[in-house]
Amino acid sequence: QQPVQSPQAVILREGEDAVINCSSSKALYSVHWYRQKHGEAPVFLMILLKGGEQKGHDKISASFNEKKQQSSLYLTASQLSYSGTYFCGTETPKGDYKYIFGTGTRLKVLA
Amino acid sequence: GAGVSQSPSNKVTEKGKDVELRCDPISGHTALYWYRQRLGQGLEFLIYFQGNSAPDKSGLPSDRFSAERTGESVSTLTIQRTQQEDSAVYLCASARTGGREQYFGPGTRLTVT
Repeated sequence: QQPVQSPQAVILREGEDAVINCSSSKALYSVHWYRQKHGEAPVFLMILLKGGEQKGHDKISASFNEKKQQSSLYLTASQLSYSGTYFCGTETPKGDYKYIFGTGTRLKVLA
Repeated sequence: GAGVSQSPSNKVTEKGKDVELRCDPISGHTALYWYRQRLGQGLEFLIYFQGNSAPDKSGLPSDRFSAERTGESVSTLTIQRTQQEDSAVYLCASARTGGREQYFGPGTRLTVT
């Protein structure tokens, strides 16, 4: 029931790209992404409501494939500030505003 | 404006004691969520309040856990007869009516000795 994220952890050099995947065994209404820095609260990145839609902000974007029940987060030209743990949150087709969060992906960007 | 606040920030308690954790959501936010995060783990859904509707308690792990919310304001998460496995950070989040973006508080770190 909990969405599975991959990879579990990734280490990058500044300027490199990364993709984080979120896969659910159930149909989804929406997916959202959060980043949590060590010892801090999670911070909202973006939400995707429509299948196939891709949203982005600066160099972070995401896609949502309803049929495959998957979402991917794309980090382009990574910066040191991107380090943290990324969580996807999935909402059931009922659209009931209740989210189940994924297993998390630890990202570390090195200078 | 002010964000979500939680108190206390840290709580150390002895096994078997009861604890109360408080969450003050952002003013005007009708939705309020509680999550548990064990060390190095993900966010585990506990309970969801939306306005005056009956809360969704489906994530509460046992009957030792309960939560209340008065209207659209403060919420209290109570853990009775605490166990060592209850040790975790308890996070509260709020959201606007019809909004899906959740704003998280700083959390309460609970340690049961």
